Amino acid sequence: EPEVTQTPSHQVTQMGQEVILRCVPISNHLYFYWYRQILGQKVEFLVSFYNNEISEKSEIFDDQFSVERPDGSNFTLKIRSTKLEDSAMYFCASRKGQGASGELFFGEGSRLTVL
Amino acid sequence: SQKIEQNSEALNIQEGKTATLTCNYTNYSPAYLQWYRQDPGRGPVFLLLIRENEKEKRKERLKVTFDTTLKQSLFHITASQPADSATYLCALPDTGFQKLVFGTGTRLLVSP
Repeated sequence: EPEVTQTPSHQVTQMGQEVILRCVPISNHLYFYWYRQILGQKVEFLVSFYNNEISEKSEIFDDQFSVERPDGSNFTLKIRSTKLEDSAMYFCASRKGQGASGELFFGEGSRLTVL
Repeated sequence: SQKIEQNSEALNIQEGKTATLTCNYTNYSPAYLQWYRQDPGRGPVFLLLIRENEKEKRKERLKVTFDTTLKQSLFHITASQPADSATYLCALPDTGFQKLVFGTGTRLLVSP
């Protein structure tokens, strides 16, 4: 069964360092997302990506964040200068299309720890 | 934007009983509502989708209802098993259908 894969599963970094989280969405899906979940809190939307551009982003997704789909398969989230409060589980998700098939397929997440 | 309320207290039930979880939303009624399961340290997994014109949806031991008048969905697991222990998330599309907004989830603990 097709699945969303994410790497790394866990990354530890120093505050101020750049981090890139990688995702390979399901191949025939059109919509891509990053969500994050701080420990003990809810799954929060960061950004959605469709047709090679950001379609929506949340207030959390400030100038320190960026997303890219460089080669038609990988979907990356970059945090330019990490802060302690960026420590969270980051989930990539993909969706086939909007409307009738609205369910999201999530990866297993990348745990980011900022020291 | 949508606000979603799920009971933050864990629900403890005995194996074999029916678990009922509640999801309330506060703003406009969405075209559909979804339920996900999340195990500790893992990504959410889609369970069921119910549309606004459907009162009830079933899948094996799962049943979801959707009451747009009450702005509420109920999620039932019948004949619950310890393996059903997890956090269950309610999710709704936000305006424009581009993103899903999740509730905080309710943790279900099924004891043998």
